[in-house]
Amino acid sequence: GQQLNQSPQSMFIQEGEDVSMNCTSSSIFNTWLWYKQDPGEGPVLLIALYKAGELTSNGRLTAQFGITRKDSFLNISASIPSDVGIYFCAGRVIQGAQKLVFGQGTRLTINP
Amino acid sequence: DGGITQSPKYLFRKEGQNVTLSCEQNLNHDAMYWYRQDPGQGLRLIYYSQIVNDFQKGDIAEGYSVSREKKESFPLTVTSAQKNPTAFYLCASRVDVLWYGYTFGSGTRLTVV
Repeated sequence: GQQLNQSPQSMFIQEGEDVSMNCTSSSIFNTWLWYKQDPGEGPVLLIALYKAGELTSNGRLTAQFGITRKDSFLNISASIPSDVGIYFCAGRVIQGAQKLVFGQGTRLTINP
Repeated sequence: DGGITQSPKYLFRKEGQNVTLSCEQNLNHDAMYWYRQDPGQGLRLIYYSQIVNDFQKGDIAEGYSVSREKKESFPLTVTSAQKNPTAFYLCASRVDVLWYGYTFGSGTRLTVV
């Protein structure tokens, strides 16, 4: 099936630093979603993107739907300890499949 | 409060046994999904159901079975044919065909002992 390449796989940063992660695919997507997963819990939706070029913010989080429809990025500004977790991108292919494809996740660790 | 409830949180299985993971939602969502999560990997789709009494195989359906007799419930059975069942299992639901912001349960960690 389709695959999403998410990078980096892990990040170790200092509190207060900005974070950037991205997802790319060889397929065209018509929906991009970003989720955060805390240890031992299910992912929680952070941001949803529906149009190429769309830039959406949710507090300190900003995500963009790439112009080519094959990529998306997520930025976190001024990181705080509660940002620790695994971040997943997910996309829905344009052919109308009734399911999402998930990236491998980016594990974020913050040193206080 | 509306949400998705997965039970149990932790499950231990002996080799050769079938086990059933429960997933119940009171969100009135039409579609439900089962994903498997292994360390360092993304979520892999096992089965999904868009309406009652209908379901489709995902990318890794071998060794698993499901049923969708009620809109609220989508149980997953891990059979003895699944050779490496130890993993974190996540259930999700979606309200309709236009919205892809899945709501996830809190997961069940299955360990084979």
